[in-house]
Amino acid sequence: DAGVTQSPTHLIKTRGQQVTLRCSPKSGHDTVSWYQQALGQGPQFIFQYYEEEERQRGNFPDRFSGHQFPNYSSELNVNALLLGDSALYLCASSLAMTSGNNEQFFGPGTRLTVL
Amino acid sequence: AQTVTQSQPEMSVQEAETVTLSCTYDTSESDYYLFWYKQPPSRQMILVIRQEAYKQQNATENRFSVNFQKAAKSFSLKISDSQLGDAAMYFCAYRTLNYGQNFVFGPGTRLSVLP
Repeated sequence: DAGVTQSPTHLIKTRGQQVTLRCSPKSGHDTVSWYQQALGQGPQFIFQYYEEEERQRGNFPDRFSGHQFPNYSSELNVNALLLGDSALYLCASSLAMTSGNNEQFFGPGTRLTVL
Repeated sequence: AQTVTQSQPEMSVQEAETVTLSCTYDTSESDYYLFWYKQPPSRQMILVIRQEAYKQQNATENRFSVNFQKAAKSFSLKISDSQLGDAAMYFCAYRTLNYGQNFVFGPGTRLSVLP
């Protein structure tokens, strides 16, 4: 049973460019959340996707957008990259439930460096 | 909005000894979940232990246990018989039971285990 996978592992971009990060959820999971983890800090919630729609969003600008596909995989897109976007981007998957102990499983992350 | 604070940026412990990591949080909700996650250099976030706020009994997982003080909004992690493999960043996290159910993470504590 594959866990959460993310690609690529590492990525280097320059300011102003656009980037797409990909995530495949754990088998059986239908909800994907994205987090940004700056160096030396805890992860910050970006947004969550369920049924191919953005269900909840953290305090991130519109330059950050996403998509969820019918197979529940997801993409995170960042436009007009800034130096401050350099971070580890984590994807987490879970089962959608209105309440209950639905644990989130994290992927290994994508390290984005903006030069 | 909920916040999570970890006041110890770095901690060290001798192998086989016991160490306690501190965490406090702020919320107006009465029911929620609290977590401790471990992030080794491999970057994979690994669930260490979970506590439901409505349970008065402190959670225990092998060498890991928590001291949950709901009134004080405190949630500390005790690691007994520390092992070299316990060295990692430890994040305290809060999760609401409400719609979306995403995590709010603390800034983390870096734990070193000395041989």
